[in-house]
Amino acid sequence: AQSVTQLDSQVPVFEEAPVELRCNYSSSVSVYLFWYVQYPNQGLQLLLKYLSGSTLVKGINGFEAEFNKSQTSFHLRKPSVHISDTAEYFCAVSAYSSASKIIFGSGTRLSIRP
Amino acid sequence: SAVISQKPSRDICQRGTSLTIQCQVDSQVTMMFWYRQQPGQSLTLIATANQGSEATYESGFVIDKFPISRPNLTFSTLTVSNMSPEDSSIYLCSVQRGLSNTEAFFGQGTRLTVV
Repeated sequence: AQSVTQLDSQVPVFEEAPVELRCNYSSSVSVYLFWYVQYPNQGLQLLLKYLSGSTLVKGINGFEAEFNKSQTSFHLRKPSVHISDTAEYFCAVSAYSSASKIIFGSGTRLSIRP
Repeated sequence: SAVISQKPSRDICQRGTSLTIQCQVDSQVTMMFWYRQQPGQSLTLIATANQGSEATYESGFVIDKFPISRPNLTFSTLTVSNMSPEDSSIYLCSVQRGLSNTEAFFGQGTRLTVV
């Protein structure tokens, strides 16, 4: 079985500052990794995903994440945040097979201060 | 991508009653997934619905409480039965597409309040 841990429930940062949202996973098999974003009162949207290949993955809205197999991590980063990045961010994992169910972390609430 | 429509978008229900949530996808998919998102919490998978067979439920969820129908490849329903205030949540329908069906798409959800 797979599991994912998001180490920070809330992350407050100032506008234009860099941010890192941490995610660690556990699995006995190879996995796919995802970050989803949920803006206030909206559904979930895929931010980026790691399937294979380059460990540095770039997503929408200037976000990127790095897959680190030895540390079983998939931290999300952005060099300069904006007010519009205020949202809940979910790290997720699924086993390396077709249409495997996706397991979500507990979420990190990113709040941007002007 | 995928366009997923859920009905109703929200409802307020009396305890002891049941609510059926509908999920319509814009094209055929093999599996559909139902999640629950309790207030301030993450998403928890309730069950996976395959067309032509019984749904597969996750630990802690049972068919008597959350019966699911999957009559065809574009439609599914989730019923929340004999509701209590603890069932107040957002219920989300999801499908997976893309390479190896890895990318999940979600409906806007059904916000359920049980009073």
